[in-house]
Amino acid sequence: GNSVTQMEGPVTLSEEAFLTINCTYTATGYPSLFWYVQYPGEGLQLLLKATKADDKGSNKGFEATYRKETTSFHLEKGSVQVSDSAVYFCALNTGFQKLVFGTGTRLLVSP
Amino acid sequence: DTEVTQTPKHLVMGMTNKKSLKCEQHMGHRAMYWYKQKAKKPPELMFVYSYEKLSINESVPSRFSPECPNSSLLNLHLHALQPEDSALYLCASTRTGSNEKLFFGSGTQLSVL
Repeated sequence: GNSVTQMEGPVTLSEEAFLTINCTYTATGYPSLFWYVQYPGEGLQLLLKATKADDKGSNKGFEATYRKETTSFHLEKGSVQVSDSAVYFCALNTGFQKLVFGTGTRLLVSP
Repeated sequence: DTEVTQTPKHLVMGMTNKKSLKCEQHMGHRAMYWYKQKAKKPPELMFVYSYEKLSINESVPSRFSPECPNSSLLNLHLHALQPEDSALYLCASTRTGSNEKLFFGSGTQLSVL
């Protein structure tokens, strides 16, 4: 079946530190991969996506590269801000209207 | 307008009550979704409507009853809920539903007493 595994949180960083949140997946077929972010008290927002192998998604300084050989889609940012504190969900979609989410990773950034 | 609007934002109900959650979007999206999210967990898919027809029901108990009156509106009717149904209920939409960006509402925080 399809599944997404994310690193356990919380991830605690100081402002301007480098961020990596690991995500690996298991899927039949050729899924699209997504990172969604959820700020406190809100719904989820799409952060970035990649639809095929070697694609790099990027937005707001965040990046992730679709690696088919390692079945990974790790999220990175060079310099985090306090406002990046949120829960980050990795997800995959095999094209049947079903988005499969990972368990989420909470990021806490301190000044 | 790129919003999905959900009402109410908070709802407290007893186990014998009947209530409804509402969701509205005016982006012309033809696929609409209900998700349930427990605290510190990922969202779990409940229902998908595609072109106003129910296309996915993830074996949700019948005390949850979805309705899609038109392409802009999605309701979730609640009856005889249990305390374990307390959660954040999220509505989402996509243009056609296939491999696309989901637009989420802010959710309804439901407490069942």
